[in-house]
Amino acid sequence: QSVLTQPPSASGTPGQRVTISCSGSSSNIGTNTVNWYQQLPGTAPKLLIYSNNQRPSGVPDRFSGSKSGTSASLAISGLQSEDEADYYCASWDASLSALVFGGGTKLTVL
Amino acid sequence: EVQLVESGGGLVQPGGSLRLSCAASGFTFRSYWMHWVRQVPGKGLVWVSRLNGDGSSTSYADSVKGRFTVSRDNVENTLHLQMNSLRAEDTAVYYCAGASWGRNAMDVWGQGTTVTVSS
Repeated sequence: QSVLTQPPSASGTPGQRVTISCSGSSSNIGTNTVNWYQQLPGTAPKLLIYSNNQRPSGVPDRFSGSKSGTSASLAISGLQSEDEADYYCASWDASLSALVFGGGTKLTVL
Repeated sequence: EVQLVESGGGLVQPGGSLRLSCAASGFTFRSYWMHWVRQVPGKGLVWVSRLNGDGSSTSYADSVKGRFTVSRDNVENTLHLQMNSLRAEDTAVYYCAGASWGRNAMDVWGQGTTVTVSS
């Protein structure tokens, strides 16, 4: 049972916009920033979004992040087949004094 | 090229010890907070530990507290994870990762090293 809650799966067709949610609490998302990671099959994770809504250089602007209260969201617009991956949210939890990840969302491009 | 390369994984018996290493190159290692994250194949990411740039501040997941110790050598640009009293549930791929965008936004990742705890 992960501290941050994500839907286990999401899907969309090429060109569509999909959103992945991440729900937490006042001790993590409510207090600290959220980062998002993309993990392609068989590879190490990659930072996709940091500080709620910032993209590292090289990440397409099709990817965007937002945060409101104790929840965060990752949006992917113009869905492409290469976006098929697992996506994880993460935030520091002040009560646990630990970094917590969501359980991950497997995105399928139909 | 910015790179992290883990080593030291392998098969160990329950109750045994293992030391993982992570060699950094291509970036200013001492400026990065460094993390260990593990993943059971087919399962999600689980944070293990982090260490600040000069090694003076550490944090651990409850599941490894008192058994694992993270350290770094900023001369050799290497991160270590000493794992003692290993349990079957510690079996996973262990990634080292570096954070430059704040303490926890890990933008540099290694390829992972596999630890198997089994008799």
